[in-house]
Amino acid sequence: RKEVEQDPGPFNVPEGATVAFNCTYSNSASQSFFWYRQDCRKEPKLLMSVYSSGNEDGRFTAQLNRASQYISLLIRDSKLSDSATYLCVVTPGDQGGKLIFGQGTELSVKP
Amino acid sequence: NAGVTQTPKFQVLKTGQSMTLQCAQDMNHEYMSWYRQDPGMGLRLIHYSVGAGITDQGEVPNGYNVSRSTTEDFPLRLLSAAPSQTSVYFCASSAGGSYQPQHFGDGTRLSIL
Repeated sequence: RKEVEQDPGPFNVPEGATVAFNCTYSNSASQSFFWYRQDCRKEPKLLMSVYSSGNEDGRFTAQLNRASQYISLLIRDSKLSDSATYLCVVTPGDQGGKLIFGQGTELSVKP
Repeated sequence: NAGVTQTPKFQVLKTGQSMTLQCAQDMNHEYMSWYRQDPGMGLRLIHYSVGAGITDQGEVPNGYNVSRSTTEDFPLRLLSAAPSQTSVYFCASSAGGSYQPQHFGDGTRLSIL
């Protein structure tokens, strides 16, 4: 079993749709959690960190359920520019320099 | 405003050749890492370093060597290139500790013939 698993994609949605990505992780000692975005095999860029209480940044909402070892990302009112691959990322233990990536879920937003 | 700089951006090698991928950061970050990304897969950790003189293996270390003689530089060496090492390689750095964002270089696209 992979340490971090994401929904298989791709997701094809119309502009304005709400889309949700799910992710599970296997290491219960994982300390920190992130969503990264990657465009066309360019370098990944941090979209948002995911905190235990859940957090929101504009149209993006991230949730963490430590008991179920589950992370989610909700994108509301999706835009064409949201088309990208979304990577769920976990730090095992207190090792900030070591990230474990999910395989990514591709999102395509159509007009 | 350089951030993380990787060189070269593209490279083609023949099987059995050796080479070094360079990575440098100017943010005084303690943590540096190398990842590879293959089609349909997320990034996989090759080696990482939590400070000068300290390195450790990641998920897929075989066939690669690293050293960290300075805070700024973290080169990745391919000892004897194999076609299975054809991939996109990303270097990253962070200030360390939980919830510190990783800063990635632009990547090196490597093909082994």
